[in-house]
Amino acid sequence: GDSVTQMEGPVTLSEEAFLTINCTYTATGYPSLFWYVQYPGEGLQLLLKATKADDKGSNKGFEATYRKETTSFHLEKGSVQVSDSAVYFCALSDSGGGADGLTFGKGTHLIIQP
Amino acid sequence: KAGVTQTPRYLIKTRGQQVTLSCSPISGHRSVSWYQQTPGQGLQFLFEYFSETQRNKGNFPGRFSGRQFSNSRSEMNVSTLELGDSALYLCASSFRDRGKDTQYFGPGTRLTVL
Repeated sequence: GDSVTQMEGPVTLSEEAFLTINCTYTATGYPSLFWYVQYPGEGLQLLLKATKADDKGSNKGFEATYRKETTSFHLEKGSVQVSDSAVYFCALSDSGGGADGLTFGKGTHLIIQP
Repeated sequence: KAGVTQTPRYLIKTRGQQVTLSCSPISGHRSVSWYQQTPGQGLQFLFEYFSETQRNKGNFPGRFSGRQFSNSRSEMNVSTLELGDSALYLCASSFRDRGKDTQYFGPGTRLTVL
């Protein structure tokens, strides 16, 4: 079945550092890929997405590129802020209709220190 | 547009009781999915509804059920509650764009079973 693997952390960085959170996936079809972010006590917020190979999703300074050859969707940000502290989830949807639900990684807890 | 809303935000129940959670999707979204989030199992897909029909169901016992109304609002019900049902229950609504769905999540309902 489908699966998503990501580093769990916690990942601790200093403010203005470069961020990479690795995400690799296994899927039978041609999935859409997503990054969601969860702040304490809240639900999931869509951060960015990519629906086909070589697509780059970007939002709020975060970027991720859909790499079919390496089955990866790594999240990057050039300069992190304390406000980026949260849990980040990589996810895939292997059904264009969304009926099968999203498959999530276990989440990466990111801590940014001032 | 208003986001996905879930009520109630917090619930405390005792073992053996049943509970009903409610979700109102983003206006115009016809698909609603439910997920369970726990520290041990992470985010797991429960079921998905589209136009009042359940299209798919995750690997959960029959105590977990749901329905969708003609206005796309959805409810999920858990009967005969067990301690292990304590979790954050997340609802997501989605729309289809060029054959691909993107899911938007509500704030969740935190269920505690004593």
